[in-house]
Amino acid sequence: QSALTQPASVSGSPGQSITISCTGTSSDVGGYNYVSWYQQHPGKAPKLMIYDVSNRPSGVSNRFSGSKSGNTASLTISGLQAEDEADYYCSSYTSSSTLEHWVFGGGTKLTVL
Amino acid sequence: QLQLQESGPGLVKPSETLSLTCTVSGGSISSSSYYWGWIRQPPGKGLEWIGSIYYSGSTYYNPSLKSRVTISVDTSKNQFSLKLSSVTAADTAVYYCARLTTVINYWGQGTLVTVSS
Repeated sequence: QSALTQPASVSGSPGQSITISCTGTSSDVGGYNYVSWYQQHPGKAPKLMIYDVSNRPSGVSNRFSGSKSGNTASLTISGLQAEDEADYYCSSYTSSSTLEHWVFGGGTKLTVL
Repeated sequence: QLQLQESGPGLVKPSETLSLTCTVSGGSISSSSYYWGWIRQPPGKGLEWIGSIYYSGSTYYNPSLKSRVTISVDTSKNQFSLKLSSVTAADTAVYYCARLTTVINYWGQGTLVTVSS
């Protein structure tokens, strides 16, 4: 069970759009539509931003969107705001006949310039 | 509103067993279709899924930790617990309890556990 691959950091100016990638394999990201994205501010618990690849929980801004192509999922944040500066983690749920498990990406630090 | 709260020692000696409990309020831990689990985050590092227990009692562990982890449920107290044996400094982390389905939509606030003599 290997971690999913994310860029260590991304940056953008207020109002711009950024995209964070999350690369896995056909056994996790590519095999299931169960990719989720979490935002984590320093000292806080992660907050769910996107689930099942592209769905937003109630209360999450529509500036956040998700997509997937093959073994790579992506989180796009449009109209960047200072409050979006945080760490972002992707996660994939996978299931087999003997194991249910969750795997995370290494995290991406978003800096709003 | 579902709430989860971790509790347990903040300092554990090397080679000993780390024990944490998560108390669930605002909902029943016996509710069907949910997993209850533990996730940790070493200081300055990323998230790592430790393991989960299904409402039926089935357990699933991260293969890298499986030999040292036990997760159990106490439905009478609406709690579930984590035991991690033979800890080393590498186990120093913030430990989160969570409710999981195909997504992790409820998290505890996290508790820092330091492994040190």
